Amino acid sequence: QKEVEQDPGPLSVPEGAIVSLNCTYSNSAFQYFMWYRQYSRKGPELLMYTYSSGNKEDGRFTAQVDKSSKYISLFIRDSQPSDSATYLCSGGSNYKLTFGKGTLLTVNP
Amino acid sequence: GAVVSQHPSWVICKSGTSVKIECRSLDFQATTMFWYRQFPKQSLMLMATSNEGSKATYEQGVEKDKFLINHASLTLSTLTVTSAHPEDSSFYICSARRLALTEGIQYFGAGTRLSVL
Repeated sequence: QKEVEQDPGPLSVPEGAIVSLNCTYSNSAFQYFMWYRQYSRKGPELLMYTYSSGNKEDGRFTAQVDKSSKYISLFIRDSQPSDSATYLCSGGSNYKLTFGKGTLLTVNP
Repeated sequence: GAVVSQHPSWVICKSGTSVKIECRSLDFQATTMFWYRQFPKQSLMLMATSNEGSKATYEQGVEKDKFLINHASLTLSTLTVTSAHPEDSSFYICSARRLALTEGIQYFGAGTRLSVL
């Protein structure tokens, strides 16, 4: 079993839709969790980070962590075509990050 | 802030030659830099972790003599792919962690696409 499992999609939604991206993890040692956005042939860009169970909101993005079920989610409200990218979830401990495969999202105008 | 510059963005080389990739933190000091490799539609795979002034720590299965890492200063790390072969063709990405901060946030460079002919 991989440490971080993520459905690769692809996921296609209309503009304005609410998007839900999900990951599960198996490593109980993970102390923090991050979501990165990666455009094609570019490096990942940090979107959200969190260190505890619960919700964290930043603009149209909400990150959710449930440590009891080892489940992490990213919600995107009012999705825009510019949100089309691959979204990578990650768990970390001892300054190392372990990434999921990424979910390819397309937001159609 | 927290800009990481990676150069070159794309390199094509002949089999058997060596290629050097640079990773610089432009507006912060990086206590730790990381090197990843990414195949198409695959996740980021950590190759090695480097701390300024000390030897890099390589992940299992990564040949340290093949992928030479030098972290000469708090703002610069280099990855040299020695005697490159077509199977080394991939997308290489570096990241950096800020000095003096305890969270594990990593800031990534734009990546280097290596094509070995």
